[in-house]
Amino acid sequence: GENVEQHPSTLSVQEGDSAVIKCTYSDSASNYFPWYKQELGKRPQLIIDIRSNVGEKKDQRIAVTLNKTAKHFSLHITETQPEDSAVYFCAASPGSGYALNFGKGTSLLVTP
Amino acid sequence: GAVVSQHPSRVICKSGTSVKIECRSLDFQATTMFWYRQFPKKSLMLMATSNEGSKATYEQGVEKDKFLINHASLTLSTLTVTSAHPEDSSFYICSAMSGGNTGELFFGEGSRLTVL
Repeated sequence: GENVEQHPSTLSVQEGDSAVIKCTYSDSASNYFPWYKQELGKRPQLIIDIRSNVGEKKDQRIAVTLNKTAKHFSLHITETQPEDSAVYFCAASPGSGYALNFGKGTSLLVTP
Repeated sequence: GAVVSQHPSRVICKSGTSVKIECRSLDFQATTMFWYRQFPKKSLMLMATSNEGSKATYEQGVEKDKFLINHASLTLSTLTVTSAHPEDSSFYICSAMSGGNTGELFFGEGSRLTVL
């Protein structure tokens, strides 16, 4: 089955700095790679996703890159703000109809 | 986006009792729903895939007789934790796909179960 590895497990940055979270996956059949943000006690919220036919996708301060050959993808948050503090999960799946396999999560802390 | 509602959000029960958690897709039909379990400060672990009108598919290590899943309609899946024990205390989250071929999952609010 799919195995998703995520690093780092914790990340602390100063407000305004960039944050990068990296994930690798094992199943070459995976072609959908979403990133979720989860605040304490809340449901995960999709913040950005990418599919295997795209190498990079950007949405304002958030970007995701995908290297399918190397089987890794990364989340980039620029100009971080304290409200970006949360746990971020990467995930992978073969697409529609399949469950997501999640990484272990990265606890991001943005200090003012 | 699509809305998934989960109920109850919190439940406290005594050991040995059973607890039912409901997951509803409010504005779309979900032929497939997924149940995840999340321990404090841990990731979401897939428990089972719930298919409307058929038996659920359980992940390895998940006891199907303990975690009963029923998906009787296109908008409702239920998870029943039978004979609950303290080690079953966890955050249970359901999710569903809204259709199309995006693969995007929409999550319910989650249910925090505490077994005394």
